Amino acid sequence: AQRVTQPEKLLSVFKGAPVELKCNYSYSGSPELFWYVQYSRQRLQLLLRHISRESIKGFTADLNKGETSFHLKKPFAQEEDSAMYYCALSPARRQGAQKLVFGQGTRLTINP
Amino acid sequence: GAGVSQSPSNKVTEKGKDVELRCDPISGHTALYWYRQSLGQGLEFLIYFQGNSAPDKSGLPSDRFSAERTGGSVSTLTIQRTQQEDSAVYLCASSLDALQVKFFGPGTRLTVL
Repeated sequence: AQRVTQPEKLLSVFKGAPVELKCNYSYSGSPELFWYVQYSRQRLQLLLRHISRESIKGFTADLNKGETSFHLKKPFAQEEDSAMYYCALSPARRQGAQKLVFGQGTRLTINP
Repeated sequence: GAGVSQSPSNKVTEKGKDVELRCDPISGHTALYWYRQSLGQGLEFLIYFQGNSAPDKSGLPSDRFSAERTGGSVSTLTIQRTQQEDSAVYLCASSLDALQVKFFGPGTRLTVL
């Protein structure tokens, strides 16, 4: 079964501090992993995907297949990073890539 | 339009009533998805449409839930005999095809009293 676990429902850090949002997944194949973000009063939007290997808004995420993790990191948090973050998994392309399986989300609050 | 739109933005209904939620995907997107966002439950996949293929209904929680997509564009999610546990934000998303990035709508907040 496919499962995404975000162990922290709430995470609070001070501005300028490093931030790490944890994501672990369960899947037997080679999935695609994503981070989605929902800012206050805005719609859910893609932040980054592991195949792009990009840094978006200072955030990076590395897929660790050994630990089945895809943690989201930023070295210096900013107040505008406060939002709800969802980790999501898409099964391998030949196995129904259309479905996104989401974690329960982590609400990140950056304190001034 | 610039993005996925949904209507209504808010819907309050009484237990036992039927409701219809509408989604207008981005023009040209062949794939359309419905998700449910419940407090503390994350996002739950409901149903997926791809072109003229039969929809993937594997996520629908009960036979009170149904959805259709007319003309490969607009989709309607219908919930019959609503229950309080149906209260949630219902999100629609679309993508060029199943493998492309999914764009989400603003959601419809459903409250069943």
